[in-house]
Amino acid sequence: DIQMTQSPSSLSASVGDRVTITCRASQGISNYLAWFQQKPGKAPKSLIYAASSLQSGVPSKFSGSGSGTDFTLTISSLQPEDFATYYCQQYHSYPITFGQGTRLEIK
Amino acid sequence: EVQLVESGGGLVQPGGSLRLSCAASGFIFSSYSMNWVRQAPGKGLEWVSYISSSSSTIYYADSVKGRFTISRDNAKNSLYLQMNSLRDEDTAVYYCALNFDYWGQGTLVTVSS
Repeated sequence: DIQMTQSPSSLSASVGDRVTITCRASQGISNYLAWFQQKPGKAPKSLIYAASSLQSGVPSKFSGSGSGTDFTLTISSLQPEDFATYYCQQYHSYPITFGQGTRLEIK
Repeated sequence: EVQLVESGGGLVQPGGSLRLSCAASGFIFSSYSMNWVRQAPGKGLEWVSYISSSSSTIYYADSVKGRFTISRDNAKNSLYLQMNSLRDEDTAVYYCALNFDYWGQGTLVTVSS
């Protein structure tokens, strides 16, 4: 199975900040990498697919990059609604696996 | 508008069974593969099972293999998850997902005596 490791596990930031979350795959997954945002009590929301493609309706403040084993999610100009938990996911092969999540909190 | 609505969750004793359903609308259900994903309380996301559009290809996570069965009825635009021999560690919110682009609201399964 492909293991996905996110860092950091939690992150404190202020409104207006720019933050970066990292996701590392235990083996190469090309660009079969997605990012999700989840708020408490809600279903995950797809942000990015194919490592860097923005889902329809997702603001351009979210951006993704990477290929192979190392990936990043960057969120610019943080707003209160961006404070949530973020997950990466590989869909290169089954079993599909998720990172453990990064909790983004308001400083 | 794509809509996925799960149902069938509830409280069940260890060793018991439960059948989850996911009613789909707003897209051509028979053309798309579907997945089940779960999330234990306070924990991360765990992929559970996949079924192709024609049901010809099915995958399971090792944690549920042999106990859970995924199925679909394209005529009824519905996805199912039959869960047998339930364990405490199966307690979670279960989501159905279309290509992981769209998710249902989830249904809570609690396994407890």
